[in-house]
Amino acid sequence: DVKVTQSSRYLVKRTGEKVFLECVQDMDHENMFWYRQDPGLGLRLIYFSYDVKMKEKGDIPEGYSVSREKKERFSLILESASTNQTSMYLCASRGNGALKEQFFGPGTRLTVL
Amino acid sequence: GQQLNQSPQSMFIQEGEDVSMNCTSSSIFNTWLWYKQDPGEGPVLLIALYKAGELTSNGRLTAQFGITRKDSFLNISASIPSDVGIYFCAGPKRSNTGKLIFGQGTTLQVKP
Repeated sequence: DVKVTQSSRYLVKRTGEKVFLECVQDMDHENMFWYRQDPGLGLRLIYFSYDVKMKEKGDIPEGYSVSREKKERFSLILESASTNQTSMYLCASRGNGALKEQFFGPGTRLTVL
Repeated sequence: GQQLNQSPQSMFIQEGEDVSMNCTSSSIFNTWLWYKQDPGEGPVLLIALYKAGELTSNGRLTAQFGITRKDSFLNISASIPSDVGIYFCAGPKRSNTGKLIFGQGTTLQVKP
């Protein structure tokens, strides 16, 4: 079974703080993704990584950066958190095979005050 | 660009009722995925469809890949309280980079 874990389930930060969200997968997947989920908007892709040290912007990358130093770990960084970044953040991973499924972590609910 | 539209946005049904939801697009997809997200958790894959016209079941869930390749349907028979959650359809982006597009989700509530 694929396991994707996220470092925190709930996080409360103040405006202007630097925030790190960590994601680890144990299935040797090449591809990892960060999404945010907001009511009525579904899942929106923030950043995507297809290999170690490789990254690609998603649909809403503004205000975020990422780091992929090891294959199993993909970090999302909010350089200076703002209240409009209060959201549910979901990490996912996927292998390079023909199957398209992405496997998700449990999510981190971030509140920025 | 590619978009997926899910309907209905939300449903409130009685336990035991059947449920039907759908996902449509103006673009053709070669794969349809249906995910369920339990409250406070990440989405979990329910059913994957890879061929136009395909009908696949997973317990009380049945999903179909529309023959036009522009839509997909998910049916839940004899709903139970643990069916509560958000159901998402998803399909691969045309660019074939491994990225998925997600619908907005259908929120299901079941009254015991």
